[in-house]
Amino acid sequence: GENVEQHPSTLSVQEGDSAVIKCTYSDSASNYFPWYKQELGKGPQLIIDIRSNVGEKKDQRIAVTLNKTAKHFSLHITETQPEDSAVYFCADLPSDMGRRALTFGSGTRLQVQP
Amino acid sequence: NAGVTQTPKFQVLKTGQSMTLQCAQDMNHEYMSWYRQDPGMGLRLIHYSVGAGITDQGEVPNGYNVSRSTTEDFPLRLLSAAPSQTSVYFCASSYSSDEQYFGPGTRLTVT
Repeated sequence: GENVEQHPSTLSVQEGDSAVIKCTYSDSASNYFPWYKQELGKGPQLIIDIRSNVGEKKDQRIAVTLNKTAKHFSLHITETQPEDSAVYFCADLPSDMGRRALTFGSGTRLQVQP
Repeated sequence: NAGVTQTPKFQVLKTGQSMTLQCAQDMNHEYMSWYRQDPGMGLRLIHYSVGAGITDQGEVPNGYNVSRSTTEDFPLRLLSAAPSQTSVYFCASSYSSDEQYFGPGTRLTVT
């Protein structure tokens, strides 16, 4: 089955610094790559996503880049703030019509030190 | 819109008991899914549904049943609870399997 690997598992940065989280996937048919943020005691929340016909997408302080040749995608958070502290998950979705379901990475716990 | 709602928020079961975790959405989404979240393992898909009357197994379906009689509701049934089913359970919905919206979760402990 599909496998999504996510690194690092924990990340600590100083407020104002940038944070980068990387994921690799195995299914070359994947064509949708979302990122979720999960705060303590809450459900995951979609924060940004990218589709395979796009190389980069930005939304204010967050951006996602996709390299389909190398089968990896990354989340970039600039000017980090304490409220960015959370667990972040990447995922992918294959384009074939077999199992239309997201496969998630194991998560990255981001701690932003004030 | 309430979005995706889940009940109960917390539940403690004894081994062998059965129960149903409720999930409802008011966004007219066709696609609904159930995940379990265990420490260090991310979110693993239990079952999903692409529309009323249609369900399919995910990565970890054993010990769980689902049905989808309406677009709005997608209950998850534990037939005979086991300690290995201690986890946090999330329901999600979307129009077509991408852009999934998650509920707040149910924290289940099986003793």
